[in-house]
Amino acid sequence: SAVISQKPSRDICQRGTSLTIQCQVDSQVTMMFWYRQQPGQSLTLIATANQGSEATYESGFVIDKFPISRPNLTFSTLTVSNMSPEDSSIYLCSASTGIYGYTFGSGTRLTVV
Amino acid sequence: SQELEQSPQSLIVQEGKNLTINCTSSKTLYGLYWYKQKYGEGLIFLMMLQKGGEEKSHEKITAKLDEKKQQSSLHITASQPSHAGIYLCGADSGGSNYKLTFGKGTLLTVNP
Repeated sequence: SAVISQKPSRDICQRGTSLTIQCQVDSQVTMMFWYRQQPGQSLTLIATANQGSEATYESGFVIDKFPISRPNLTFSTLTVSNMSPEDSSIYLCSASTGIYGYTFGSGTRLTVV
Repeated sequence: SQELEQSPQSLIVQEGKNLTINCTSSKTLYGLYWYKQKYGEGLIFLMMLQKGGEEKSHEKITAKLDEKKQQSSLHITASQPSHAGIYLCGADSGGSNYKLTFGKGTLLTVNP
């Protein structure tokens, strides 16, 4: 199955700043997904990112806050903009990988102070 | 929208004991996925079930999808401390919409 490298693995950021999270897949994938996992909660889908088109955002998430890039079939970035302590979460990228379902990156643990 | 309810929310077992985690959907499941998550880390794919009545096993873990495709169970035989973690079930809603909806997870602790 595909392997996803996600970085950074963790970061501590000042409020009001932005952080860009990168995900690199070792094979070409059509669909990539970005999830947020708030403390003690399950995963919530932020957006779906397809190469060559704008990301599709779920209810409650907007492009200005979470801009996403998908420049090719193996790479995607998620930016968390103008951060506040409420953005402290684990952010995970995922890719649809055929018979193995969905593969996930190792996650980015973000703390906003 | 599809909702997944997992039970129990948490589970503490003695090493060597068997255990079962359940995942119930509010709608018919087109694809049901089981993942394991170590605290603060990414998700490790365990199994994917798609057909009613399907059962898959890997090492000491067995997952089943019921005939009506609305409930799945994950069974661990002779649990070990390495089985500890958060178990998440996820479901896709079928068709061209590939996004996954997740249950809230089951925290498993295995005491040596």
